[in-house]
Amino acid sequence: NAGVTQTPKFRILKIGQSMTLQCTQDMNHNYMYWYRQDPGMGLKLIYYSVGAGITDKGEVPNGYNVSRSTTEDFPLRLELAAPSQTSVYFCASSLLGPIVKLFFGSGTQLSVL
Amino acid sequence: TQLLEQSPQFLSIQEGENLTVYCNSSSVFSSLQWYRQEPGEGPVLLVTVVTGGEVKKLKRLTFQFGDARKDSSLHITAAQPGDTGLYLCAGVGNQGGKLIFGQGTELSVKP
Repeated sequence: NAGVTQTPKFRILKIGQSMTLQCTQDMNHNYMYWYRQDPGMGLKLIYYSVGAGITDKGEVPNGYNVSRSTTEDFPLRLELAAPSQTSVYFCASSLLGPIVKLFFGSGTQLSVL
Repeated sequence: TQLLEQSPQFLSIQEGENLTVYCNSSSVFSSLQWYRQEPGEGPVLLVTVVTGGEVKKLKRLTFQFGDARKDSSLHITAAQPGDTGLYLCAGVGNQGGKLIFGQGTELSVKP
């Protein structure tokens, strides 16, 4: 089973460029999440979705956008990339919400120079 | 804003030693999870504790949820190099049921 798949694995952006981080899951999970991880800071929730067509902001949503047109896919869009968005991004999914097990992808390491 | 504070932030020990990692908050959580993360990978769930005072064991790892559901601990007995990694606690808060993560404890076990 593939689980949660993220692409790309690594990316370097110039300031002001835009990009989309892709995330897809094959477990038919309703809940999907985007986190960013910075050294010594744990994981911070960017956006989450409780089902297709429904998204909501997390702790650090500024500079990001998401969409959830299907159960499987939850892309994260960065508009006008800034150095502060240099981080490792993780997508995750769960069946019934955060109280149950989250399945994480292997992450996207993004550098904005 | 609910926060989870982990301590210590870094821990370097020799194989065979015991260790405890703490996860503390001033807020009550309905449940707490512990994840382990290896370099280049996403976190993987180790355990979920939901009842105040609950103790769960996973081989050499013992997890405890505080009676007041504000804190948790992870104890590793006779640590091995394979235990090396980043340990994260995470709690379901009262802000829309979002999962809140601690900042992590980086554990290094040397042979």
